Amino acid sequence: AQSVTQPDIHITVSEGASLELRCNYSYGATPYLFWYVQSPGQGLQLLLKYFSGDTLVQGIKGFEAEFKRSQSSFNLRKPSVHWSDAAEYFCAVGERATNKLIFGTGTLLAVQP
Amino acid sequence: EAGVTQSPTHLIKTRGQQATLRCSPISGHTSVYWYQQALGLGLQFLLWYDEGEERNRGNFPPRFSGRQFPNYSSELNVNALELEDSALYLCASSLELSRDSHQPQHFGDGTRLSIL
Repeated sequence: AQSVTQPDIHITVSEGASLELRCNYSYGATPYLFWYVQSPGQGLQLLLKYFSGDTLVQGIKGFEAEFKRSQSSFNLRKPSVHWSDAAEYFCAVGERATNKLIFGTGTLLAVQP
Repeated sequence: EAGVTQSPTHLIKTRGQQATLRCSPISGHTSVYWYQQALGLGLQFLLWYDEGEERNRGNFPPRFSGRQFPNYSSELNVNALELEDSALYLCASSLELSRDSHQPQHFGDGTRLSIL
């Protein structure tokens, strides 16, 4: 069955430091992959998506992610974190036949000054 | 361009009652999806509507139902409410799907349903 694993439940980084959030997926075919961000009391905002082609994708707010088929991973990165990046981040795989999104359990990011 | 809008923002009900949640998709989007975000259970797919038809449903009992109207807006109905239905219900919309492409889903801010 398709699944998404985000190994880190909670991460704390200092403002200005680099960030990498891990995501591993299990899916039979080439996956559609997404990263969403959720601020407290709000819905999900799409950060970036991978459908095909270049394995390094650029998103909004300075985020990027790299698709590595050999490792079944789609890690999210940002070179320099801002205090406003504190939020919960969700990785998701899109099921081709149904367009259903299967989400990971999320990683809560805290940013310290 | 307006995003996905959901109403109400909060809804408080008691056990056994019925709840109706509403969603208006982004203009031009024809597909609407519903997800439940419950504490400890994460984000789970509920329903997918496209062109007025239910295309897929997740692993939820039949008391969770909905519909999509001709203007592509949607309602989620939950009957015989139980305490465990307390959650944030998120609606998303996307452009029309095609065989060779995928359309990303864009989410609203959700309806917080609390069951007392």
